[in-house]
Amino acid sequence: EDKVVQSPLSLVVHEGDTVTLNCSYEVTNFRSLLWYKQEKKAPTFLFMLTSSGIEKKSGRLSSILDKKELFSILNITATQTGDSAVYLCAVNLLNNDMRFGAGTRLTVKP
Amino acid sequence: GAVVSQHPSRVICKSGTSVKIECRSLDFQATTMFWYRQFPKKSLMLMATSNEGSKATYEQGVEKDKFLINHASLTLSTLTVTSAHPEDSSFYICSASPPGLPRNEQFFGPGTRLTVL
Repeated sequence: EDKVVQSPLSLVVHEGDTVTLNCSYEVTNFRSLLWYKQEKKAPTFLFMLTSSGIEKKSGRLSSILDKKELFSILNITATQTGDSAVYLCAVNLLNNDMRFGAGTRLTVKP
Repeated sequence: GAVVSQHPSRVICKSGTSVKIECRSLDFQATTMFWYRQFPKKSLMLMATSNEGSKATYEQGVEKDKFLINHASLTLSTLTVTSAHPEDSSFYICSASPPGLPRNEQFFGPGTRLTVL
């Protein structure tokens, strides 16, 4: 059975802190791993990772994939209150199906 | 943890036919369920919010007569694609939000791949 497990489930930090969100997976026929930010409506796409060890970066956010150890991390530096959201990890399979994790709820306090 | 299932996982149909997709919350009651469509480059578009016991709330640009949503019980919402056309071919994902949690805390189903010939 395919599994995508995110940790922690919930995290509270103060502005300026750096956070690391974790996503581990056990799936057959892995194609890629995706990170989304869920605020109000549809999750906003952040990153797609297909190769190990190559960091993807967008502003204060970065992410990396380890296909040997089957996990990915999402880092957010110098957090702001606007980063408060649920961060979703999803694995895309070779048949293009997706498996979502339960999400990490990040709260950034002023 | 909360589990959401979808059925079928994939369906192929002929143009002009209707297809029903089920979304179930297996271990919790969901007064609210959401239907998404995945587009190329992995972006997700919210189609509608399904509310148990009342009409679904559709997002702008989504045809409510084409995408019929019925939230028949606290654990089941269905999406029916009526008179399907090849451009409706996509990956449809549902999610459910347990009562008492913020709207953005959703548990996602595994998705349904629809192919319209």
